[in-house]
Amino acid sequence: QKEVEQDPGPLSVPEGAIVSLNCTYSNSAFQYFMWYRQYSRKGPELLMYTYSSGNKEDGRFTAQVDKSSKYISLFIRDSQPSDSATYLCAMSVVFGNEKLTFGTGTRLTIIP
Amino acid sequence: DTAVSQTPKYLVTQMGNDKSIKCEQNLGHDTMYWYKQDSKKFLKIMFSYNNKELIINETVPNRFSPKSPDKAHLNLHINSLELGDSAVYFCASSQDGTSGGAGDTQYFGPGTRLTVL
Repeated sequence: QKEVEQDPGPLSVPEGAIVSLNCTYSNSAFQYFMWYRQYSRKGPELLMYTYSSGNKEDGRFTAQVDKSSKYISLFIRDSQPSDSATYLCAMSVVFGNEKLTFGTGTRLTIIP
Repeated sequence: DTAVSQTPKYLVTQMGNDKSIKCEQNLGHDTMYWYKQDSKKFLKIMFSYNNKELIINETVPNRFSPKSPDKAHLNLHINSLELGDSAVYFCASSQDGTSGGAGDTQYFGPGTRLTVL
């Protein structure tokens, strides 16, 4: 079993819909939780990060972490065709460990 | 301005050959990384260097040898290439990399697509 599990999709939704992307993990030592967006043939870019449990909002994006369930989510409101990409969750332990453990990524397509 | 650059972008080579991939960052960061992304998009760390010192060395065959001539460069040399080495290799860098977690945002390069025939 991988440390971080993520449904690879693909996921297709109509423009304007709310998108929900999720990851589960098994390592309770993870403290930082990140979402990366990767466009085709490009490197991943950091979208959002949260520390420990809670919610964080940035424009149309909301990240949620539930450490008790070992479950994280990324919500995209008013989805746009430009949001079409692969979304990777990533996690790390707090101190002295900069190693990121990634999920497999979910490929998302927003249909105009 | 390209923050993290890699060369070459594409690399097609025969089994058994030796090849190198170069990475440079102009962000003034202290830590650099190499990741491998397989055909299923799974991204896994291979190595990281902090100020030219090896910090992370995951379970990677010793045919892979990273080299950091200075803190702005981290090259990856691969000996005796095998079919299973075909993947996209990403270089990344972060400001410090030792304080832990997302405070050290990692910036990724565009990737090098390696195909071993």
